[in-house]
Amino acid sequence: NAGVTQTPKFQVLKTGQSMTLQCAQDMNHEYMSWYRQDPGMGLRLIHYSVGAGITDQGEVPNGYNVSRSTTEDFPLRLLSAAPSQTSVYFCASSPQGPSGQETQYFGPGTRLLVL
Amino acid sequence: GESVGLHLPTLSVQEGDNSIINCAYSNSASDYFIWYKQESGKGPQFIIDIRSNMDKRQGQRVTVLLNKTVKHLSLQIAATQPGDSAVYFCAEKGSSASKIIFGSGTRLSIRP
Repeated sequence: NAGVTQTPKFQVLKTGQSMTLQCAQDMNHEYMSWYRQDPGMGLRLIHYSVGAGITDQGEVPNGYNVSRSTTEDFPLRLLSAAPSQTSVYFCASSPQGPSGQETQYFGPGTRLLVL
Repeated sequence: GESVGLHLPTLSVQEGDNSIINCAYSNSASDYFIWYKQESGKGPQFIIDIRSNMDKRQGQRVTVLLNKTVKHLSLQIAATQPGDSAVYFCAEKGSSASKIIFGSGTRLSIRP
């Protein structure tokens, strides 16, 4: 298994541009989430999904959209990039089910710079 | 003025000693807690978890303690090694919520 993959690894945007950060997992996990991590700080939850077709907002959802058309993919869209969105973005997934295992597996991150 | 959160608290430990990293949580409804390790340039990595019906759980060289009365979580690392250098985060999940929220991190630095 490849685990959780994210593309691109690095991206530079100009203010006002839009883009999509890709996230995919091949572990058949139901739960997926997006976090942003600013320098020297913890991770803040942007959006999450408990299964295909279901998404919900996290702590800092403004300026971002998500969709979950398949179990495998959970793209994050920046509608109109702003310098405040300069950050490292992490995607994570975890299984859901009666076993109760909820360990999240994280991708390698996407470093985004908005000028 | 200085912005809160720009500088992670740092714990400096002598190699071979035990490390204790603390975390306070605010949601009394949280019923699941996780410790993550994040090395420079990488995503967080699961270390150990604990449910609210337990107060202690042990793994390999790591122990997590949960005190629900004061809403406090700690991670103990035995015989700290250079490879333990990283930032450590606690995270929590509420019983009625599907989302996992991260707390502030602690940077663990190992002295030779």
